[in-house]
Amino acid sequence: QKEVEQDPGPLSVPEGAIVSLNCTYSNSAFQYFMWYRQYSRKGPELLMYTYSSGNKEDGRFTAQVDKSSKYISLFIRDSQPSDSATYLCAMSERGGSNYKLTFGKGTLLTVNP
Amino acid sequence: EAQVTQNPRYLITVTGKKLTVTCSQNMNHEYMSWYRQDPGLGLRQIYYSMNVEVTDKGDVPEGYKVSRKEKRNFPLILESPSPNQTSLYFCASRIAGQETQYFGPGTRLLVL
Repeated sequence: QKEVEQDPGPLSVPEGAIVSLNCTYSNSAFQYFMWYRQYSRKGPELLMYTYSSGNKEDGRFTAQVDKSSKYISLFIRDSQPSDSATYLCAMSERGGSNYKLTFGKGTLLTVNP
Repeated sequence: EAQVTQNPRYLITVTGKKLTVTCSQNMNHEYMSWYRQDPGLGLRQIYYSMNVEVTDKGDVPEGYKVSRKEKRNFPLILESPSPNQTSLYFCASRIAGQETQYFGPGTRLLVL
């Protein structure tokens, strides 16, 4: 089993829809969870960052972590065409000098006007 | 503007011809890292550096070298590129003690 699993999609939704993106993981030592957004031909940019379990909201975006199920989600409300991008989940375990990030493979999202 | 820059953005080369991809950050970050991104494989770490003169291997270091002589620069060196190193490369940096990384715009490399 890979450390981080993420459905690559593609996912296509109409403008205004609620989008749910998910990742599962196998390493119970992961404590820090991130979502990156990557537009075509650009580098990933940090979208959301959460520590341990729970929810975090930022505008139209909500990140959810369920450590008991080893499952994280990103919800996008009122999705816009400008949200069309690849969304990468990433996670790390505290400890060790690398603070290595382990990434999912990314989900390609298209929001249609 | 706080940023990570990479040069060149696009590069076509031939097998065996040494090349260097530069990376520079203006945020005074201690930690820098190189990743490659391939379809179906996602982002994989090549090398990282915790600070000047401190570097270590990531998950896929074979065929690559790095150096960190200055805090702001972290070049990636391919001594003898091969076609399997055709990929999209990203440099990233972060502040020591924080997990969030800031990525450069990417360098698309084609090795013929």
